[in-house]
Order: sequence, then structure tokens, then C-alpha cells
Amino acid sequence: KQEVTQIPAALSVPEGENLVLNCSFTDSAIYNLQWFRQDPGKGLTSLLLIQSSQREQTSGRLNASLDKSSGRSTLYIAASQPGDSATYLCATNAGNNRKLIWGLGTSLAVNP
Amino acid sequence: EPEVTQTPSHQVTQMGQEVILRCVPISNHLYFYWYRQILGQKVEFLVSFYNNEISEKSEIFDDQFSVERPDGSNFTLKIRSTKLEDSAMYFCASSASGSSPLHFGNGTRLTVT
Repeated sequence: KQEVTQIPAALSVPEGENLVLNCSFTDSAIYNLQWFRQDPGKGLTSLLLIQSSQREQTSGRLNASLDKSSGRSTLYIAASQPGDSATYLCATNAGNNRKLIWGLGTSLAVNP
Repeated sequence: EPEVTQTPSHQVTQMGQEVILRCVPISNHLYFYWYRQILGQKVEFLVSFYNNEISEKSEIFDDQFSVERPDGSNFTLKIRSTKLEDSAMYFCASSASGSSPLHFGNGTRLTVT
């Protein structure tokens, strides 16, 4: 049964820092892995999707990597800004995109 | 940019009552989903829907739950007889294909008293 773990649970950094969020999963037979952002009381915004055949995806200041064999993904945020403050969730699946298994998230606070 | 819309944003109901949560997916999307998040816990998959039928459901999605796409735009989740433990944020999502990113709505916070 797929289990997804995210560390750290919470992170507080000063503005401008580069940071790395970690996601690990127990079953390497995944279809893809997605990173989401959740703002308080809001929905889930898809940030990056990495297909199982890919190693990384980039969007602006965000870069997500995937190492299936070790069951890990990282989300790198460059030059963090206060507007990046949110909870970041990773989710993956096995065999199809229909049933995502989620981590508990990393709560990020970027301080001005 | 097109978005998934959910109504209401907050619903309070008494235990044993029926509730219907409503969603309007992105118009050209073909796959529809419901997820829920109990406060402080992980997001959990409930059900996926494609081609007018359920394609997959979780153990949570028992006989008390049902989904429907009554017309070309709405996608609903019905809970027949709510329990206290059904209190959660319910998220609707849609995707263009089985391999494309999911787009989520802002959720409906359901409070069962």
C-alpha cells in the first residue's frame, strides 16, 4: 500500500533563501507525482507534475525532481518570497492518475 | 483561466440529514473526482468518474455516498445520512485526461453537528 511522507512538517525561512521540500513514497511503481500548493481555507493548486519517465520539471522559481528508485521527490524553491507562504503537498498514484495518495504537507512560512 | 467551482463554500447540517455538494468542473474536462480532507489529516481520495460512471472508489465511499452528473456541467456528491465523522473539507477536481494534472476547486467545508 502506497504511503507518502513529507519532511519537514513545517519550515520557516527568511525571504530570499533557497529551500528544499522533501517527499518520499514507499511504492516506486508510480504513474506520476504532483506537487500542490494549499493556501489556508483555499483549494489545491497544481504546481508541477512529473511523469514517471521524467527526472524533473521546472516552472519559474520552482523545480521538482523525481527519483523513482529511491522513492523520493524534492521541490526546490529559489529566492523565496513571502507570497510563497503556504502548505505544499505532494501526491502520487500507481497505475493511473485517478487515485492520488497524499502526503500531509510541509507548512512553509517565508518571513520578510 | 478556467477553474473548478464548488458550492456552497460552507455547509452546516445535522447528523442524519442528507447533503448535496455541488461542483462545476472545467468545461472540456472528461475526468471528475471527489477528495476530502479531515482537519489536520491527509487529503483522501473518494471517487473518480469518467464517461458517466464511477471508474474507481475508495473504502470511504460506501453506500451513504453517491455521485451524479445530472447535466453537461454539474457534478454532485450526495451524502445520504450524514455522520459526525463526515465533517471535512470536500474537494472536487477535474482533469482533461487520465494523465494530465488535476484542477481543484476551493472546496466545501462540511460541518455535521
